[in-house]
Amino acid sequence: DAGVTQSPTHLIKTRGQQVTLRCSPKSGHDTVSWYQQALGQGPQFIFQYYEEEERQRGNFPDRFSGHQFPNYSSELNVNALLLGDSALYLCASSLDRGSYEQYFGPGTRLTVT
Amino acid sequence: ELKVEQNPLFLSMQEGKNYTIYCNYSTTSDRLYWYRQDPGKSLESLFVLLSNGAVKQEGRLMASLDTKARLSTLHITAAVHDLSATYFCAVNPDSNYQLIWGAGTKLIIKP
Repeated sequence: DAGVTQSPTHLIKTRGQQVTLRCSPKSGHDTVSWYQQALGQGPQFIFQYYEEEERQRGNFPDRFSGHQFPNYSSELNVNALLLGDSALYLCASSLDRGSYEQYFGPGTRLTVT
Repeated sequence: ELKVEQNPLFLSMQEGKNYTIYCNYSTTSDRLYWYRQDPGKSLESLFVLLSNGAVKQEGRLMASLDTKARLSTLHITAAVHDLSATYFCAVNPDSNYQLIWGAGTKLIIKP
């Protein structure tokens, strides 16, 4: 049973550039959430996708956008990168019923220079 | 404001000792989660607590939830070095899809 996968593992970008991160949920899961984790801090909720729609959004600017595909995989796009966007980006998948337990992928480490 | 507070934020202890990590939250919720994170790694689910009075145990770790006090505890019994990690609690507020996270407790267990 494949768990949550994310790509790429690491990424280095320059300020002002754009980046796309990808996530495939755990088999059988239909909901994908994205989190940003800065060094030494707890994760911060970016948004959640269900049925190809953004269902809820955290306190992040419009530079952060996403998409969910019919196969439940998801992308996170960040435009006009800032130095402060450097973080570990985590994707979590869950089922839209039951305990809502979220299973996390290995993360994408984004460095903005 | 939705807040989750963990304490302590840092804990250094000897093997064989017992200790408790506390997680207080500010919103109504019946769903609380504990995760473990090793340095440079992702988050591993430890416990899902879904009701008041819920208690779960796995090996040397035991978690409990008191929804009236808005408090969860993670108790470590006879700590071993392999338990060294950062532990996070997260709350799923009622009528909400996100998890609100504590700042994490960095646990170092010395052999």
